[in-house]
Amino acid sequence: QAGLTQPPSVSKGLRQTATLTCTGNSNNVGNQGAAWLQQHQGHPPKLLSFRNNNRPSGISERFSASRSGNTASLTITGLQPEDEADYYCSAWDSSLSAYVFGTGTKVTVL
Amino acid sequence: EVQLVQSGAEVKKTGESLKISCKGSGYSFSSYWIVWVRQMPGKGLEWMGIIYPGDSDTRYSPSFQGQVTISADTSISTAYLQWSSLKASDTAMYYCARVDLDAFEIWGQGTMVTVSS
Repeated sequence: QAGLTQPPSVSKGLRQTATLTCTGNSNNVGNQGAAWLQQHQGHPPKLLSFRNNNRPSGISERFSASRSGNTASLTITGLQPEDEADYYCSAWDSSLSAYVFGTGTKVTVL
Repeated sequence: EVQLVQSGAEVKKTGESLKISCKGSGYSFSSYWIVWVRQMPGKGLEWMGIIYPGDSDTRYSPSFQGQVTISADTSISTAYLQWSSLKASDTAMYYCARVDLDAFEIWGQGTMVTVSS
């Protein structure tokens, strides 16, 4: 099944800002927007944002999401060591009638 | 507390059958979609399928259609993922998650399935 495209890796320094992208099409990201998940090694994913920039309770304001056309973005400000993780986007695809995931981005904090 | 608790790790042989579970608590189990997600070792997330426990409406990813069966028992607030004949390529971590507003908001801890010949 078709998926969403994410850069494989992003590396930034401590307290810097990282912006992750997730590119889809008009049937998924461009339609309902995307959700973002964080996954630390050996743990299940955790929801960071949904419907483009809604954060679940308990998620830091350092994580903010947006969308422009068919591309969704997740911005992490003030990077901390605990932000080192894999990040995935997800979206409902109306043409496939299926959920699709992004390929994942590994964030490294230098 | 809203949570999903999955059954424990499984070690099986090729050709064997298997059914793993995902028990919800702290909310109305019948009222939220549950998805199953595969993560092969060192790889990304793959959407397998989804079920609405309230009426057992079930959809499958084309990649998994015919390969697995998703079901639910609302009397015990539990969703299931089952295989009739496992392959080595089914070795993976399997997660269930509750869906709300098109987002996977609550995740189970995962069930590791190892299949060997």
